[in-house]
Amino acid sequence: DGGITQSPKYLFRKEGQNVTLSCEQNLNHDAMYWYRQDPGQGLRLIYYSQIVNDFQKGDIAEGYSVSREKKESFPLTVTSAQKNPTAFYLCASTPTGYGYTFGSGTRLTVV
Amino acid sequence: DQQVKQNSPSLSVQEGRISILNCDYTNSMFDYFLWYKKYPAEGPTFLISISSIKDKNEDGRFTVFLNKSAKHLSLHIVPSQPGDSAVYFCAAQMNYGGSQGNLIFGKGTKLSVKP
Repeated sequence: DGGITQSPKYLFRKEGQNVTLSCEQNLNHDAMYWYRQDPGQGLRLIYYSQIVNDFQKGDIAEGYSVSREKKESFPLTVTSAQKNPTAFYLCASTPTGYGYTFGSGTRLTVV
Repeated sequence: DQQVKQNSPSLSVQEGRISILNCDYTNSMFDYFLWYKKYPAEGPTFLISISSIKDKNEDGRFTVFLNKSAKHLSLHIVPSQPGDSAVYFCAAQMNYGGSQGNLIFGKGTKLSVKP
C-alpha cells in the first residue's frame, strides 16, 4: 500500500542534542512538507521541497534543517538551536500541489 | 497575521444533529479550500475541498459552502455521529502562475459529538 511513513512515533531528546525525524513516501509525489503542531496553534510550515535537491524555508524554519537527496525521503533535523522543540511533527506530500497526504506524525519531547 | 481563521476552538453537538464549522480567510487570492480531520496523535486526513469557482460541494454527510464575497467557508456535517469527534482544520491555497502555493491552515476546531 502506498503512503507516508514517519518514524519514530515517539522521540525523546535531551536538551542540546540534535535529533532527526524520518519521513518516507512511496507515492511518487514530487513535493514534500514538514509541519509542526502545537496545542491551539494549528499546523505551521517548517520546510518544504518541490523537487529533489531543492527545499525552501517555511514560516518557522529557525532551528531546523532538512535534506532532499531522494524523491522518497525528506528527513527533518531538529537542532539544538530550536528553543522549544517539544511538539507533534507532521510530514506531508502531494503530486500536484492540491491536497496533501499526511503521515501519522512524530511526537518529540525534550527531557 | 493569520490568513485563515477558525474562531471557534471547540464545538459540541448532539448525535444526529447538524455540525457547522466555520472558517474565514483574509486573502482574496486563495482559490482552493480544503477541510482536514485529525484524531489525536494521528496525521490529518483529507475530508472535502472546494474550488473558488464553486459555492458548494457535497460528499455524503459532508458539505462545504463557500461565500467569496464574505471570505467565509463552512463545513456542514449532517447527521453528526460520535465518530466525527475530532479536530477539523480549514486550509487554503492560491495559484502562483500555474503552480499551487502551500496550504495555509487555520488553528482548528475541536468537534465533540455526544451520544
